[in-house]
Amino acid sequence: QQPVQSPQAVILREGEDAVINCSSSKALYSVHWYRQKHGEAPVFLMILLKGGEQKGHDKISASFNEKKQQSSLYLTASQLSYSGTYFCGTGTSYGKLTFGQGTILTVHP
Amino acid sequence: NAGVTQTPKFRVLKTGQSMTLLCAQDMNHEYMYWYRQDPGMGLRLIHYSVGEGTTAKGEVPDGYNVSRLKKQNFLLGLESAAPSQTSVYFCASSYTRRTRIPEGYFGAGTRLSVL
Repeated sequence: QQPVQSPQAVILREGEDAVINCSSSKALYSVHWYRQKHGEAPVFLMILLKGGEQKGHDKISASFNEKKQQSSLYLTASQLSYSGTYFCGTGTSYGKLTFGQGTILTVHP
Repeated sequence: NAGVTQTPKFRVLKTGQSMTLLCAQDMNHEYMYWYRQDPGMGLRLIHYSVGEGTTAKGEVPDGYNVSRLKKQNFLLGLESAAPSQTSVYFCASSYTRRTRIPEGYFGAGTRLSVL
């Protein structure tokens, strides 16, 4: 079952912040975040494992709430290069990795 | 270090034809995945494998078969292609027993059109 992402699309001006949410109806073992530029393959951003943590990658960070079965991706002071489609993937302990429908992020100058 | 390599990059099939997509990774990853991507549908899991000789169904397995005879290769087969299988196919791999870090890598994708 695919995780659900919200919002479906976000439009920002450079320097603004954004939050992308990912929720699952099943207990989460791991959450994976990827970014895909148009016509390219998805690129790994970060993974959060069960056990609770918040990770950062430049000005992009993420949190993982096991109780609520949710994860959020935080983009701070957005740059033009942040534009793309963001996917969250939810992993099970036995290796299955399922992705949501994606969130389209557009950053304007 | 090539990462994840998919072949072919493009293919046009006629309805009813068969073909095999090859995915190869050189990172000694345990897990490998096949996804299809259609507009507005995100990445949908077709089949996956958690080790050499193992395969499991994903969310949309019908019409596809897979094999993982060697750890580095994961093959996706279409026995009798249908227009509904027109899509972009991505292979991905992740997880090594040594590092236990399941970061993932995707191949560049295969654009398949079935006429």
